[in-house]
Amino acid sequence: AQTVTQSQPEMSVQEAETVTLSCTYDTSENNYYLFWYKQPPSRQMILVIRQEAYKQQNATENRFSVNFQKAAKSFSLKISDSQLGDTAMYFCAFMTMEYGNKLVFGAGTILRVKS
Amino acid sequence: NAGVTQTPKFQVLKTGQSMTLQCAQDMNHNSMYWYRQDPGMGLRLIYYSASEGTTDKGEVPNGYNVSRLNKREFSLRLESAAPSQTSVYFCASSDFFGGGVNEQFFGPGTRLTVL
Repeated sequence: AQTVTQSQPEMSVQEAETVTLSCTYDTSENNYYLFWYKQPPSRQMILVIRQEAYKQQNATENRFSVNFQKAAKSFSLKISDSQLGDTAMYFCAFMTMEYGNKLVFGAGTILRVKS
Repeated sequence: NAGVTQTPKFQVLKTGQSMTLQCAQDMNHNSMYWYRQDPGMGLRLIYYSASEGTTDKGEVPNGYNVSRLNKREFSLRLESAAPSQTSVYFCASSDFFGGGVNEQFFGPGTRLTVL
C-alpha cells in the first residue's frame, strides 16, 4: 500500500521569503502522479501543482515549484515570494495508476505567512 | 459550470440517526470519490466509483454506504451515525485527460457532527 508522509505539522515564513514543505512517499509502482493541494480556511481544496512520475523535469507554476526526487521518493514544494494569501494547510498526495486512480494524502502541513 | 457541489454544508445528528450526503458534478467526469478529513490525518478515502454503475470500498468504508445514482451524482449514506463519524466530508470527481490522469476536483465539503 502507498503511504505519504509530511513530517512538518506546522511552518511559518515571513512575507516575501521562500519556504519549502517536505513530502516523502512509499510505493512499488513506477508510474504515478503527485500533487500538492492547498486548503485555506474556507476549506476548499485547491490544486497547487502536479508532477507526473515519468517526467524528469520538475513542475513549476508561477511562485510554486517542486523538487521531485524519484529515487529518494521525495516531493517537496517550494513557495517563493510568500504572500499572506498563501496561509493554508498544504497536502501532498499520491495518485495511483491502478483501477480507480485513487489519491492517498499526507497528514498536511499548516503554513502561516507572517507580515 | 458549478464544478462539484455538495449538500448540506453543515449537519448535526444524534447517535443512531441516519442521513445522506449528496454530491453532484457537471464536468462529465466518469470517476467520483468520497473522503473524510480528520485532524492530523489528512483526507482518507471512504468509497469511490470509477465509472457509472460501479462502486468500491476505499480505506475507511465501515459505517457507510454509497450510491452512484447516475453519471453526475454520487451519494454517501450513514445508516446509524456514531460520534466517530464526526468529520468533514469531501466529494471529488476526475477523469482521464489527454491520455493521462487528471486532477481530482473537490466539492466545498460537509461538516458533520454526531452527538
